[in-house]
Amino acid sequence: EAAVTQSPRNKVAVTGGKVTLSCNQTNNHNNMYWYRQDTGHGLRLIHYSYGAGSTEKGDIPDGYKASRPSQENFSLILELATPSQTSVYFCASGDAYWGGAHEQYFGPGTRLTVL
Amino acid sequence: GDSVTQTEGQVALSEEDFLTIHCNYSASGYPALFWYVQYPGEGPQFLFRASRDKEKGSSRGFEATYDKGTTSFHLRKASVQESDSAVYYCALGDQGGRALIFGTGTTVSVSP
Repeated sequence: EAAVTQSPRNKVAVTGGKVTLSCNQTNNHNNMYWYRQDTGHGLRLIHYSYGAGSTEKGDIPDGYKASRPSQENFSLILELATPSQTSVYFCASGDAYWGGAHEQYFGPGTRLTVL
Repeated sequence: GDSVTQTEGQVALSEEDFLTIHCNYSASGYPALFWYVQYPGEGPQFLFRASRDKEKGSSRGFEATYDKGTTSFHLRKASVQESDSAVYYCALGDQGGRALIFGTGTTVSVSP
């Protein structure tokens, strides 16, 4: 059973449009994360959350918002999509242990194209 | 800030070759270090981690040893198979327990 699922798996959006990427996890993890993956950059952290109701900015939050309405769900919102946001987006869940030594479990990704 | 450097962007091997991917990190203290593998069309999968100097992590025939002196966590496998073709990411755990910091990834292609 896939523990982290994402929807949609593929999305084509127009510049200036609103895009919402959804993530659901059944790991019962407190922490959830949104990354984007681009050639030459690896995985970069956009937003993360420590639990329901909390969202925190990651390393590249500009142009993105996040929402964590429940333990299981974490959304990434692009209010005004731009072509530079064309990328593959990954959601992950995990729990932080002492010293920050935590594993994360990733979803299958969403390929977003902004025209 | 903390960072991870993977030297090789792409590695091409034949089956039964020895694989080495170099990973060096920059961080204070003893951050946890990780290796992830990503197959085409999938999200990254956790391979293993190490948290202390000289600790060895291993999984599926892959291994790496935490070396504080050289700030390294190089991935090795003695005999690769075509099924090992994937992208490999080295990562370190943010000291504040916030998230993982990933390297840029190494694409490994193994031909039969």
